[in-house]
Amino acid sequence: RKEVEQDPGPFNVPEGATVAFNCTYSNSASQSFFWYRQDCRKEPKLLMSVYSSGNEDGRFTAQLNRASQYISLLIRDSKLSDSATYLCVVNPTTSGTYKYIFGTGTRLKVLA
Amino acid sequence: DTGVSQDPRHKITKRGQNVTFRCDPISEHNRLYWYRQTLGQGPEFLTYFQNEAQLEKSRLLSDRFSAERPKGSFSTLEIQRTEQGDSAMYLCASSTISGEQFFGPGTRLTVL
Repeated sequence: RKEVEQDPGPFNVPEGATVAFNCTYSNSASQSFFWYRQDCRKEPKLLMSVYSSGNEDGRFTAQLNRASQYISLLIRDSKLSDSATYLCVVNPTTSGTYKYIFGTGTRLKVLA
Repeated sequence: DTGVSQDPRHKITKRGQNVTFRCDPISEHNRLYWYRQTLGQGPEFLTYFQNEAQLEKSRLLSDRFSAERPKGSFSTLEIQRTEQGDSAMYLCASSTISGEQFFGPGTRLTVL
């Protein structure tokens, strides 16, 4: 099993739709979780950190489910500009490593 | 511009040549990471520095790869005797203790 898994998509959704992505992780001791956005041939950009209590930033909501070992990203009222690849990132252990594991990304296309 | 910068942005080299890339992190960030990304994949962790100390190296980092961060400021990544399989985007990121990483624009390496 991969340490971090994402559905590669693409998710094709109309403008204004709500879309959700999940990302599963294998190490139950993982402590830090993030969502990044990556546009084609550009560097990843931090979208949001994922806290145990969940967090929201405008149209974006991130949640952590420790029992089932996944994080989720919900995008409401999708815009054309949301089209990108969304990467989840996990720091897999509590100590002894500074390694961050990226998923392969989920591609989102928002259609006019 | 106070973001992470990388130089060069593109590098084309012949197999067997040595190449060196530079990363200038955000000035107040003491953590610096190098990643490699190939098409359709998420960034793969290569190495991590905390200040000038290289605290972790991936098993992906063969003996041909070396990284330094003298004085805890900029960092260099050198690849000796390049191979065609080294062709990739090399990304540098920096962070504070929060773990929220900010990426540079990357150096795209093509080995002919």
